[in-house]
Amino acid sequence: NAGVMQNPRHLVRRRGQEARLRCSPMKGHSHVYWYRQLPEEGLKFMVYLQKENIIDESGMPKERFSAEFPKEGPSILRIQQVVRGDSAAYFCASSPKSGGEGTEAFFGQGTRLTVV
Amino acid sequence: KQEVTQIPAALSVPEGENLVLNCSFTDSAIYNLQWFRQDPGKGLTSLLLIQSSQREQTSGRLNASLDKSSGRSTLYIAASQPGDSATYLCAASGSSNTGKLIFGQGTTLQVKP
Repeated sequence: NAGVMQNPRHLVRRRGQEARLRCSPMKGHSHVYWYRQLPEEGLKFMVYLQKENIIDESGMPKERFSAEFPKEGPSILRIQQVVRGDSAAYFCASSPKSGGEGTEAFFGQGTRLTVV
Repeated sequence: KQEVTQIPAALSVPEGENLVLNCSFTDSAIYNLQWFRQDPGKGLTSLLLIQSSQREQTSGRLNASLDKSSGRSTLYIAASQPGDSATYLCAASGSSNTGKLIFGQGTTLQVKP
């Protein structure tokens, strides 16, 4: 089992460009979570998706950010018109079910986005 | 709204010491409490998961306890080693039972040889 795979590991974008971050969950996991870690801050929940559905997007900024988890392929976190404040580490986690006792979250290595 | 706090923010100890990291949470209606390790510039490695019906979990030199009534969890590291140097994160599940995790700010541990 390859674990949660995120790519790219590092991404540099100029202000105003688009950033696309990809996450392939562990085999057999259909629940994906995205978190953001700003410099000197803790991890903050952004969005929770199941296949083809957004379940909870309460942590997503209102503008420029979107996420999807299509029937086929990885989950994508998309940031349009990036600004310097978007520079952060973005982590994806997957789990085999949505919550409940014993549901363990497995994290990827993260994508470190730098906006110049 | 769940909030998670970790104390201390940073800790430096000599090799061989036993140490305790603290985590507190405000909403006791949790399903799980998970401890992670994060090395600089790396991802999160899950260390221990304690279900709400459990009091503690052990893995090697690590022992994590959970007291839901007081909103506290502790991570005990026995006989610390320089390789244990990292940031340790505590995360509580939200009460909405969606698997969403609320993280503390972490405790950065340095174990000196």
